[in-house]
Amino acid sequence: QKEVEQNSGPLSVPEGAIASLNCTYSDRGSQSFFWYRQYSGKSPELIMSIYSNGDKEDGRFTAQLNKASQYVSLLIRDSQPSDSATYLCAVTNYGGSQGNLIFGKGTKLSVKP
Amino acid sequence: GAVVSQHPSRVICKSGTSVKIECRSLDFQATTMFWYRQFPKQSLMLMATSNEGSKATYEQGVEKDKFLINHASLTLSTLTVTSAHPEDSSFYICSAQAGALYEQYFGPGTRLTVT
Repeated sequence: QKEVEQNSGPLSVPEGAIASLNCTYSDRGSQSFFWYRQYSGKSPELIMSIYSNGDKEDGRFTAQLNKASQYVSLLIRDSQPSDSATYLCAVTNYGGSQGNLIFGKGTKLSVKP
Repeated sequence: GAVVSQHPSRVICKSGTSVKIECRSLDFQATTMFWYRQFPKQSLMLMATSNEGSKATYEQGVEKDKFLINHASLTLSTLTVTSAHPEDSSFYICSAQAGALYEQYFGPGTRLTVT
């Protein structure tokens, strides 16, 4: 059973701090890794994708991938109240069933003003 | 780029009737689209994978005769909830796969309420 694990939270950080979200996955053959943000009552929005080991930065977001440890993380710098949402980690294996994403259950982030 | 639309955004129907939800990729072609369902405060649940020109692949426990999926073109997939019942009330979200790296872009979702 391919699994993606995330702490459900809530993770509470003060405004301006760095929020660190973590994710582990069980399928060593996973090739693509994604972070989605989902506001309450809305659909998920893709915010980061990463495919190779190391860091990938996009604005205030940095995704980190360590395939040896089967670990993906998302750092949000200078956190804002508008970042308060549930963050979903998703992975896929190119050889998997038509590229289905395996989602974690999500980490709820709360940024306090 | 990579915009996915869904219609309707919200629908209320009576028990026993059928409801059709459309999912369109607006600025790209999507060979594969996915249908998810999400109950309040719960995780996304994949219902089925829809491939253009072929039959959908349903996840275990999802009734294919109740949730009819059609993917007639590279930009349109439809989900029809047949003989809807109150327990089918949920948030239905589609996604479309773009590019060779399997990125999925989600539509805004359809909130279905069956009375």
